[in-house]
Amino acid sequence: TQLLEQSPQFLSIQEGENLTVYCNSSSVFSSLQWYRQEPGEGPVLLVTVVTGGEVKKLKRLTFQFGDARKDSSLHITAAQPGDTGLYLCAGERNEKLTFGTGTRLTIIP
Amino acid sequence: ETGVTQSPTHLIKTRGQQVTLRCSSQSGHNTVSWYQQALGQGPQFIFQYYREEENGRGNFPPRFSGLQFPNYSSELNVNALELDDSALYLCASSTDSTQPQHFGDGTRLSIL
Repeated sequence: TQLLEQSPQFLSIQEGENLTVYCNSSSVFSSLQWYRQEPGEGPVLLVTVVTGGEVKKLKRLTFQFGDARKDSSLHITAAQPGDTGLYLCAGERNEKLTFGTGTRLTIIP
Repeated sequence: ETGVTQSPTHLIKTRGQQVTLRCSSQSGHNTVSWYQQALGQGPQFIFQYYREEENGRGNFPPRFSGLQFPNYSSELNVNALELDDSALYLCASSTDSTQPQHFGDGTRLSIL
């Protein structure tokens, strides 16, 4: 069973649109990481958020950690085909990672 | 390029067989973790090794075992393979368990 639920599970949108992916848990984590995984490859770390309420921006990607450190969101503005991939959140507790269920994002040119 | 290499990239086995998957990490990466990623799901933590000792284990049966060697390589061994063991197996390494993990591209294991 996954302790971290991501929504939506699948998302297919047109290039140029905005989107938000959510990562929710009933457990508190020391930090929350977001990864992107492409077919045939391992996950690649995008960002780590540590403080409750923290917001980090990485170009068109905005990551937020919930105040209670139980949930997180990833917002992408003006999505591009290169954003296509599997997005995974992962909560860190006791130096171990628990991954979310994943959101498969497809950006249509 | 993460510096983490896994072999083989693909493997086909039958039920009841045993398998050994290998991972080679960067020099200085004393921590290695193994994950199982079933199709369409997120990775699930199997176990972690630090300086050749097991340092935490997920909810996997004892037929999943591991080794870590002084040369920063490691192995995942699975005995008595079952159909549900079909998955992508990922290893990830870091200098220590507080640092970000670098993932390999995984071994795709199929059980017939």
